[in-house]
This record gives sequence, C-alpha cells and structure tokens, in this order.
Amino acid sequence: NAGVTQTPKFQVLKTGQSMTLQCAQDMNHEYMSWYRQDPGMGLRLIHYSVGAGITDQGEVPNGYNVSRSTTEDFPLRLLSAAPSQTSVYFCASSYRGYLDEQFFGPGTRLTVL
Amino acid sequence: SQELEQSPQSLIVQEGKNLTINCTSSKTLYGLYWYKQKYGEGLIFLMMLQKGGEEKSHEKITAKLDEKKQQSSLHITASQPSHAGIYLCGADPNAGGTSYGKLTFGQGTILTVHP
Repeated sequence: NAGVTQTPKFQVLKTGQSMTLQCAQDMNHEYMSWYRQDPGMGLRLIHYSVGAGITDQGEVPNGYNVSRSTTEDFPLRLLSAAPSQTSVYFCASSYRGYLDEQFFGPGTRLTVL
Repeated sequence: SQELEQSPQSLIVQEGKNLTINCTSSKTLYGLYWYKQKYGEGLIFLMMLQKGGEEKSHEKITAKLDEKKQQSSLHITASQPSHAGIYLCGADPNAGGTSYGKLTFGQGTILTVHP
C-alpha cells in the first residue's frame, strides 16, 4: 500500500507557465481533496471530489482546475502560474468523507518566479 | 463558514515539560481532528474526537473535546524532541454526509522542544 502519492516533490515555474500536480491513492477512497498551505494560514481547501467524475470548488479555487476520471487519480492543474500560487500543495483522501481519517500525501513545494 | 483558532501560534519548551495547545471553533464541532506535521513532510493523523466530553490518548499525547463541542485541547506530557513539529487541528465543516471529505483547519501551532 503506497497510500497517497504526489509528484513532483519540488517545482519551480515562471509566471504564466502551466503545470499539473499529480495525486494518486491506492486505498479505493471516494473522497479526495487538494489543499494549499501557506505560513500562518493553516491548510486551505482548493478543490475536492466525492467520486470519479464529480468535483467541486473549495475555499480558494481561482487559478486551479481539477478533474477526476478515475477513483485513484486527482490531478490539480495550474492554468497560468502566478507568484501568489507559491505554496506547498497537499492532496488528501478518505473513505467515508465524514468522521473519518484523511490520509495526506507528502506534498509538492511550488515556487512561482 | 467555520473558523478554527489555535493558540498559541508557537511554543518553545524544555524537554520534559508538559504543554497544551488549544483549538477554538466559531461553530459547533462535529468531528475534530488533530494532525502533526514535520517540516517538509505531510500530515500525520493523531486522533479524532466526536462527542462532547470525549478524551483520547496516544502515548504521551491526550486530546479532549469540551462538552459544548466548541473547543479542543491537545496536551503533551513530558515532552521530547520527537514531539517537535507543527500541530494542526481540523474539523468537519458540516454535520453528517455533507462534509464530503473536506476539512477546515486552524493556522497551526509550531512546537519546539529543546533537549
């Protein structure tokens, strides 16, 4: 069991570039989420999914796109990177989605110049 | 929307000392989670509290949820350098199935333990 995996671990982009952060889980979890972590602000929800084909926006969705074509994968796309998107990104998954442990990936540290 | 406030924001203690981190919610807590994070790594689940007055322990860490379900505390007994890291509280934003796997988080408490 690999749990939740994220790639890449580190990434540097120039303003305006696009990229996809990968997230995969092998626990057959229906619920998956993307968070960003910034100093002094905890984790903030970007997008989430309740199953394959179903996604919705979280607290800070602007500038990000997601899709969920399979239960296992939940990629996060940055459409046109901005310095304000410099952050650490975490993907998480859970089985029941309520009163249930969320499993977190190791994170992707993104810097936008 | 629900807001979680953690206190203190940072804490420096000497090894062997006890300490407490608090997490206060603006609304009723339906599920309260404590996570630990080491620098550069992901979040490690510590425990989840659901019922008012509930208390859970794991090794030297004890977490409580108050009767009114609007505040939780995390207490570490006889702290060790291995306890150092960022402690985050998170909460299910809604009751029942409408949380959809989303969590609201506090801003985190940075714990440093000096040997």
